[in-house]
Amino acid sequence: EDQVTQSPEALRLQEGESSSLNCSYTVSGLRGLFWYRQDPGKGPEFLFTLYSAGEEKEKERLKATLTKKESFLHITAPKPEDSATYLCAVRIAGNTPLVFGKGTRLSVIA
Amino acid sequence: DAGVTQSPTHLIKTRGQQVTLRCSPKSGHDTVSWYQQALGQGPQFIFQYYEEEERQRGNFPDRFSGHQFPNYSSELNVNALLLGDSALYLCASSAGTITDTQYFGPGTRLTVL
Repeated sequence: EDQVTQSPEALRLQEGESSSLNCSYTVSGLRGLFWYRQDPGKGPEFLFTLYSAGEEKEKERLKATLTKKESFLHITAPKPEDSATYLCAVRIAGNTPLVFGKGTRLSVIA
Repeated sequence: DAGVTQSPTHLIKTRGQQVTLRCSPKSGHDTVSWYQQALGQGPQFIFQYYEEEERQRGNFPDRFSGHQFPNYSSELNVNALLLGDSALYLCASSAGTITDTQYFGPGTRLTVL
């Protein structure tokens, strides 16, 4: 069965302390991997789409990378406003819906 | 440019009742997908509408039904509500059934008592 696993479940960082979130997937064919940010009680906000191993995308303090089995979301010098849940989702080959992981809850302390 | 909008924001119902949630897609988008998100979980796919037809469906019972209108807006209907239906219901829009990026609305928080 296709599966998306995110780790850690929760991460607490000091302001300026860089770290990475992991999204591993076991799917029968990857059409795209998506990262979203979600604030409490709000809808997910789109961050990145990655399509092939080796691809990287950046936005402000965030950088997403993709290998054949996992993706990393690197957060450089985080600020308290980066605190949120970060969701990873995959779309497998063909026209299929997004399959989400459970997310990583990030807290950045000033 | 208006993003995806959903109404109502919050809703409280009792077991056995029926509920209708509404979604207007982002400008230029013609495909609407609905997701259910329980507390502490990732969104779970319910179904997708394109050209006013249900194109794909997740593992949800027939109590969950939907509709898409000619202006691409959509409704999610849930009959015979159960306590377990309490969740954040998310609508996502995209351009075409095979497009990659889905943009989400703010969600409707449904509480079933």
